[in-house]
Amino acid sequence: AQSVTQLDSQVPVFEEAPVELRCNYSSSVSVYLFWYVQYPNQGLQLLLKYLSGSTLVKGINGFEAEFNKSQTSFHLRKPSVHISDTAEYFCAVSDPRYSSASKIIFGSGTRLSIRP
Amino acid sequence: AAGVIQSPRHLIKEKRETATLKCYPIPRHDTVYWYQQGPGQDPQFLISFYEKMQSDKGSIPDRFSAQQFSDYHSELNMSSLELGDSALYFCASSCAVPGLAGMGNNTGELFFGEGSRLTVL
Repeated sequence: AQSVTQLDSQVPVFEEAPVELRCNYSSSVSVYLFWYVQYPNQGLQLLLKYLSGSTLVKGINGFEAEFNKSQTSFHLRKPSVHISDTAEYFCAVSDPRYSSASKIIFGSGTRLSIRP
Repeated sequence: AAGVIQSPRHLIKEKRETATLKCYPIPRHDTVYWYQQGPGQDPQFLISFYEKMQSDKGSIPDRFSAQQFSDYHSELNMSSLELGDSALYFCASSCAVPGLAGMGNNTGELFFGEGSRLTVL
């Protein structure tokens, strides 16, 4: 079984500062990794995903994440944040082995708050 | 582009009542998932359906049931509602990609709806 740990429940950052949201996963097999964003009172939107290939993944809104197999991490980064990035960010994992699509397991989330 | 449609968006029920949530997946998506997100919690997987058959089951209470219909839409039925059932219920859909062996392969990406907020009083 897979699991995801998001080490920081809240991350306050000043506007235009860089940010890193940490995510570690646990799995005995290869996994797919995702970051989803949830704006207040809205649904979940995919930021980026890692399925295979290049370990540096670029997503929407200027976010990127790096898959590190040896450290079982998939940290999310943005070089300069904006007020509009205020949201809850969820790291997630799924098992690619199944012939039908597999459920996604979410981490506990990190609330990113941007200060002007 | 068409997205996942959920209805109703908001629902208020009394304890011990029943509720039904509907989910319309993205056209040509064959898999539907249901998640429950309590206040300040991460989304918890409830159940999923692939080609109208239950494909996986998570922490869905026995009071809840779900099914996927011939047009691929899905309904989540909740009975004997409790206060703790108050939550945001998300539906997601995905499409399995045919692999070399003719079987579907996990595409990895789930597309989520806006959610249905259930309040139990």
